[in-house]
Amino acid sequence: KAGVTQTPRYLIKTRGQQVTLSCSPISGHRSVSWYQQTPGQGLQFLFEYFSETQRNKGNFPGRFSGRQFSNSRSEMNVSTLELGDSALYLCASSRRQEGTEAFFGQGTRLTVV
Amino acid sequence: EDKVVQSPLSLVVHEGDTVTLNCSYEVTNFRSLLWYKQEKKAPTFLFMLTSSGIEKKSGRLSSILDKKELFSILNITATQTGDSAIYLCAVRFGSNYKLTFGKGTLLTVNP
Repeated sequence: KAGVTQTPRYLIKTRGQQVTLSCSPISGHRSVSWYQQTPGQGLQFLFEYFSETQRNKGNFPGRFSGRQFSNSRSEMNVSTLELGDSALYLCASSRRQEGTEAFFGQGTRLTVV
Repeated sequence: EDKVVQSPLSLVVHEGDTVTLNCSYEVTNFRSLLWYKQEKKAPTFLFMLTSSGIEKKSGRLSSILDKKELFSILNITATQTGDSAIYLCAVRFGSNYKLTFGKGTLLTVNP
């Protein structure tokens, strides 16, 4: 079956702009989680959506937001971009049951200049 | 505060060596512990552990969980250059099944 699909793969934006990233989970998976990965901080949890509702949230400013649609696809939005937002953004999908693992997409590499 | 700590942060070995990577955690209402390998972009799933003392094995890789001492180890025997990667440990916990990652261990295997 198809894996987790993230679009776009690469993105270059200037400071102050906003950006929207997309994640399509594996068919049948209803949970989508977003992570930011930088060399210094590792994988940091942004938020998780399940059945169109945000269920968990990390410690990121309000400029980072997300949503999930009825088909479980999720989008993440970052407004007023800062240089420090440059990172690899990964999404992971799972069934969100105790005994299931999370599968990752290839990520979106965001560069803010 | 819930946390997942991996050690060492980086490790350099020669082909054929055996390595042990560590993951300790402090979380409320532990659900499961997962190991991933990240070579370039997407972390790929290795193991999921939920019960203490039961070893999971796949080829040269194996992992075990100790729920009393709150840690897990990932062993790689007869390392190869293709094992070079970041190894990530993650813990799922809480009523909302939150998944939190450690910072990872960067393993470099030299020929």
